[in-house]
Amino acid sequence: AQRVTQPEKLLSVFKGAPVELKCNYSYSGSPELFWYVQYSRQRLQLLLRHISRESIKGFTADLNKGETSFHLKKPFAQEEDSAMYYCALTRRPNNFNKFYFGSGTKLNVKP
Amino acid sequence: GAVVSQHPSRVICKSGTSVKIECRSLDFQATTMFWYRQFPKQSLMLMATSNEGSKATYEQGVEKDKFLINHASLTLSTLTVTSAHPEDSSFYICSARRTPGTSGSNEQFFGPGTRLTVL
Repeated sequence: AQRVTQPEKLLSVFKGAPVELKCNYSYSGSPELFWYVQYSRQRLQLLLRHISRESIKGFTADLNKGETSFHLKKPFAQEEDSAMYYCALTRRPNNFNKFYFGSGTKLNVKP
Repeated sequence: GAVVSQHPSRVICKSGTSVKIECRSLDFQATTMFWYRQFPKQSLMLMATSNEGSKATYEQGVEKDKFLINHASLTLSTLTVTSAHPEDSSFYICSARRTPGTSGSNEQFFGPGTRLTVL
């Protein structure tokens, strides 16, 4: 069975500190991993996906198949990064396949 | 971009009535839409997968007769909460995916959500 685990419900850091939001997954096939972000009073939006290998808003995430992890990292957190972050998994190829979301981590960046 | 709208954004109804929530993809065709339920300070719980022109696939534990889903066109899916009860009060979110094979078809685009309160 597929599962996405985000062990931290809340992560508080000071502005300028490094951030790592953890995500572990279990899946028997070939997964595609995503990070979604939900700012206060806004809808969920895609932050990044592992196949793009890109950096968005300073965030990066590397898929580690050996550790089955897809941790989200940013070297210097900003106050505007405060939000809920959800890790999600789907199957590749994933026509019509559903997404599985982790329970989310609330990131609080303090001034 | 890819915009998904939901209507209404907020609805209050009496117990026993039915409520319909619409999910529209405004600038793209969505073969597949998903309906989620989000409880306060919790994650999204997938309720069902809605495929255009076919029956929805419900997740385990979700009553299909309680939550009726219709995906009549490539831009519209509706969720009807029938005989609503206070425990159905929640935040319902839809998402849509582009038609497979098109650019960005692996990504889900989310609606803003609908707050349902059943008195």
